[in-house]
Amino acid sequence: DAGITQSPRHKVTETGTPVTLRCHQTENHRYMYWYRQDPGHGLRLIHYSYGVKDTDKGEVSDGYSVSRSKTEDFLLTLESATSSQTSVYFCAISDLPIGGLYEQYFGPGTRLTVT
Amino acid sequence: GIQVEQSPPDLILQEGANSTLRCNFSDSVNNLQWFHQNPWGQLINLFYIPSGTKQNGRLSATTVATERYSLLYISSSQTTDSGVYFCAVERKDSSYKLIFGSGTRLLVRP
Repeated sequence: DAGITQSPRHKVTETGTPVTLRCHQTENHRYMYWYRQDPGHGLRLIHYSYGVKDTDKGEVSDGYSVSRSKTEDFLLTLESATSSQTSVYFCAISDLPIGGLYEQYFGPGTRLTVT
Repeated sequence: GIQVEQSPPDLILQEGANSTLRCNFSDSVNNLQWFHQNPWGQLINLFYIPSGTKQNGRLSATTVATERYSLLYISSSQTTDSGVYFCAVERKDSSYKLIFGSGTRLLVRP
């Protein structure tokens, strides 16, 4: 299994508070991703990183920011949590493609509830 | 953007039965992966299969990129196969970003 950990694994927070989720990898992979999973939607990409301090938006980035100051850590921040951000958040990693081929590997997920 | 459709949305099998899950996508893709999400929520990589056929034990997958579909075959199903199966694709003009289908929820009864 790829060495990916997420913290916290569960969190309950109140509307309007800032929240930071952490993804840590031990694989030295270049690419890191944050997804959210909601019923009926599969997984949707929030933000991704293609290197230290290099990040870009995904399809559902509003209300979220990210930072990557080290290869191994990718932080997701909800600047002011809303009930619509109640979800399960997954981190994923992948490395530089070899011959155009690569795979993404997923962490265990963080269940966030905003009350 | 690219559309990824999985069918059927739900499937119930008796242990020992075989099944085929389908993933259709609306545009050319660089890569395609199949995942299994177990009842505890963990996402497990099954296949990385942008084209061709692969087999791993009771599971096999085939992707026909020119016709924009992929199939996941499960033979002699077991209760541990229960969960949700996701197909995810990367568009040809995308930068290693996966687009997921909505999944097929499988329940295997003993």
